[in-house]
Amino acid sequence: QVQLVESGGGVVQPGRSLRLSCAASGFIFSSYTIHWVRQAPGKGLEWVALIWYDGSHRFYTDSVKGRFTISRDDSESTVYLQMNSLRDGDTALYYCARDSNSGFYALDIWGQGTMVTVSS
Amino acid sequence: DIQMTQSPSPLSASLGDRVIITCRASQSIANHLNWYQKKPGKAPNLLIYAASNLQSGVPSRFSGSGSGTDFTLTITSLQPEDFATYYCQQTYITPQTFGQGTKVEV
Repeated sequence: QVQLVESGGGVVQPGRSLRLSCAASGFIFSSYTIHWVRQAPGKGLEWVALIWYDGSHRFYTDSVKGRFTISRDDSESTVYLQMNSLRDGDTALYYCARDSNSGFYALDIWGQGTMVTVSS
Repeated sequence: DIQMTQSPSPLSASLGDRVIITCRASQSIANHLNWYQKKPGKAPNLLIYAASNLQSGVPSRFSGSGSGTDFTLTITSLQPEDFATYYCQQTYITPQTFGQGTKVEV
């Protein structure tokens, strides 16, 4: 069935790096834009980044620009989020989500999330 | 960045109630507004896209309206499974931004 599965989360010290993966199955991966959205403990949803279906455009929220990089490998049906110079404020449950191709960046399929904890 | 403000927060309701959640954008976003339902321990679920379009598989008791800066999500006849937190999201300008969430509780 159509699904996204995140992995790569864990506990990391401030300033260190982590790479999250989002593996897709059940749909034509190369036709879809993919997003990352996070939720800090007890907080609301925060959009983090997106990569277009063809990899031609990437966008980030301001707080992660220059530190996070989104990429994709269509041969593996996987999107990555490389997170460098991690801060306490990056602690959150990270979801990847599929863009529905509605033209409105609506996110119709979500993974279960992977937890990132930044702590010394 | 565009700020999204939801009200009320939280919202107290009973089974069978008609519930209206509002979302206001700090500038016009046309109809680039989506609504999600979020339950604890679960991923968000897309309810409405483009302000008023019901996502496939979502019950018809959910509806959305609005354009410009003011939007509403309406749930007619609240069901037990509808107690959750609801988020609006603007996708008109990057960075996309969510509202702070409206928790619908008893």
